[in-house]
Amino acid sequence: QSVLTQPPSASGTPGQTVIISCSGSSSNIGVNTVNWYQHLPGTAPQLLMYSNNQRPSGVPDRFSGSKSGTSASLAISGLQSEDEADYYCAAWDDSLNGHWVFGGGTKLSVL
Amino acid sequence: EAQLVESGGGLVQPGGSLRLSCVASGFNFRRHDMHWVRQRPGKGLEWVSGVSPGGDPHYPDAVKGRFTISRQNAKNSLFLQMNSLSAGDTAVYYCVKEGSYGVWAFDIWGQGTVVTVSP
Repeated sequence: QSVLTQPPSASGTPGQTVIISCSGSSSNIGVNTVNWYQHLPGTAPQLLMYSNNQRPSGVPDRFSGSKSGTSASLAISGLQSEDEADYYCAAWDDSLNGHWVFGGGTKLSVL
Repeated sequence: EAQLVESGGGLVQPGGSLRLSCVASGFNFRRHDMHWVRQRPGKGLEWVSGVSPGGDPHYPDAVKGRFTISRQNAKNSLFLQMNSLSAGDTAVYYCVKEGSYGVWAFDIWGQGTVVTVSP
């Protein structure tokens, strides 16, 4: 069971906007920033968003992130077939001497 | 271009040990925290250890006492010594670089090395 809670799946059609949620607690998302990773099976995960809403260079502005309280979300607008992947949220957790925690991942399907 | 290349994975019996290695290139290795993250079959990502530039390790409770992370800055290398392995440690293990200058995230990942714990 993951410390951060994500829906196991999400879907949308090309051009649509999809939002993936990530729920945590006062020891992680409530006090630290959230990062998002995109993972295509068989490849290395890639950093998609850091510090809640900052995109690394090369990440399209179709991807956006936000955080409120102990929850965060990733929005993908103008959905494209190449966006089909697993998405993970992550944050530092201040409990137990501190450790990184991930969500269970959301499998995004582009219909 | 920053790159991480893992090696050392393989098949090991329960109770056995394995040492993973990771060689970094394309960035100043000695200035960054480094980590190992794993993905068990059908499961999500799980952080298993981290080490500061000076060699201070950090572990989650799940592996504390069994896994030892270390680094050799002179050789741009990261290691993970895994002992008392069980089936639950079967996973793809990724070597990961932590960012700097405000990028408190895992910004570069290796391709992963597969560890299988089975009789």
